[in-house]
Amino acid sequence: QSVLTQPPSASGTPGQRVTISCSGSSSKIGSNPVNWYQQLPGTAPKLLIYSNNQRPSGVPDRFSGSKSGTSASLAISGLQSEDEAYFYCSAWDDSLSGWVFGGGTKLTVL
Amino acid sequence: QVQLQESGPGLMRPSETLPLTCTVSGGSISSYYWSWIRQPPGKGLEWIGYISYSGSTHYNPSLKSRVTMSVDTSKNQFSLKLTSVTNADTAVYYCARSPGAYSSFDVWGQGTMVTVSS
Repeated sequence: QSVLTQPPSASGTPGQRVTISCSGSSSKIGSNPVNWYQQLPGTAPKLLIYSNNQRPSGVPDRFSGSKSGTSASLAISGLQSEDEAYFYCSAWDDSLSGWVFGGGTKLTVL
Repeated sequence: QVQLQESGPGLMRPSETLPLTCTVSGGSISSYYWSWIRQPPGKGLEWIGYISYSGSTHYNPSLKSRVTMSVDTSKNQFSLKLTSVTNADTAVYYCARSPGAYSSFDVWGQGTMVTVSS
């Protein structure tokens, strides 16, 4: 059981907007910024969103992040077939004194 | 562009010590924090720990008793040793870079599969 809670799956059709949630406790998301990673099939994870809502250079603005209290969300607009991947949220856990991840959400583009 | 490359044995026997090395190319190992993260087959990500360019370390409490990390700035490499491995340590092991101790993992290696089996 992961420390951060994500839905195991999400889906949408091309062009739609999809959101993926990530919830935790006050010692994790409540106190620290959330990062999101995208893992395409058979590849290493890639940083998608950092510090709740910042996009690294090269990440399309179709991807956006937000945080409120002890929950965070990743939104993907204008869904494309190449967005099919696993998405993981992550945050520093003050109680554990270490990084924790969500269990991952598999995004399917129908 | 900075690239990370993991190297190590693909197959381990139970109770052995797993040695992994991450080579940093295209940039300096200095001024960053370097982590090891693993992913068991079909499962999620688990942070193992980090080491700074100066050698300070911070390990996942659940693995702390079995983990040692080191850095060799002259070779632009950092390493992981995991003792007393069991089947539960079978995973893809990734090395990753962070600009700071509490920063995101902005660069990842491609990962190396380690299987523990008798």
